[in-house]
Amino acid sequence: QKEVEQNSGPLSVPEGAIASLNCTYSDRGSQSFFWYRQYSGKSPELIMFIYSNGDKEDGRFTAQLNKASQYVSLLIRDSQPSDSATYLCAVTIASGGSYIPTFGRGTSLIVHP
Amino acid sequence: DVKVTQSSRYLVKRTGEKVFLECVQDMDHENMFWYRQDPGLGLRLIYFSYDVKMKEKGDIPEGYSVSREKKERFSLILESASTNQTSMYLCASSAPGTGGSLPQHFGDGTRLSIL
Repeated sequence: QKEVEQNSGPLSVPEGAIASLNCTYSDRGSQSFFWYRQYSGKSPELIMFIYSNGDKEDGRFTAQLNKASQYVSLLIRDSQPSDSATYLCAVTIASGGSYIPTFGRGTSLIVHP
Repeated sequence: DVKVTQSSRYLVKRTGEKVFLECVQDMDHENMFWYRQDPGLGLRLIYFSYDVKMKEKGDIPEGYSVSREKKERFSLILESASTNQTSMYLCASSAPGTGGSLPQHFGDGTRLSIL
């Protein structure tokens, strides 16, 4: 079964540190990679996407994609308590001629003051 | 501001009932999705649609059907509700393109309880 895997955590980091969240996927043909943030009791919110190998930066967030190793990472610099949330990775997985949007189960991040 | 609107935040139904969950988006997006989210299981795709009157099965379509008669509206139907369909249901949309196969905007969700 084609899957998207994330460590459930929680990942605990002190305020101001770099939080590193990782995601691996099984389908070498995957083309789109999205990161979402989900606060407790709320819907997911898209924060970053990446399509090509390498790094993509947006403010305090950096997405890193390595297609050869089939992983995608999200780095959060200068972590703040307001970053405490569950981070979901999503990947398009080829299935029956279509690309199925597939989510990992998420990593819980706790940023403590 | 972009908006995906789900008709109900909370819904309580009885087993065997036919249940309709409605979703409307105002962004003229081609792609729409229905997910359910359960603790420990994450987001699981039920159905998605890349165009009007078009639908594709996701990972867990059993017991569900969908309708997309207009571009802005994507309805999820529980044909005969069962207790194992108690869950949070999330609708989402996205514009076409390389990343369009993934949701860009989510609604607030409908917490459905089947008694």
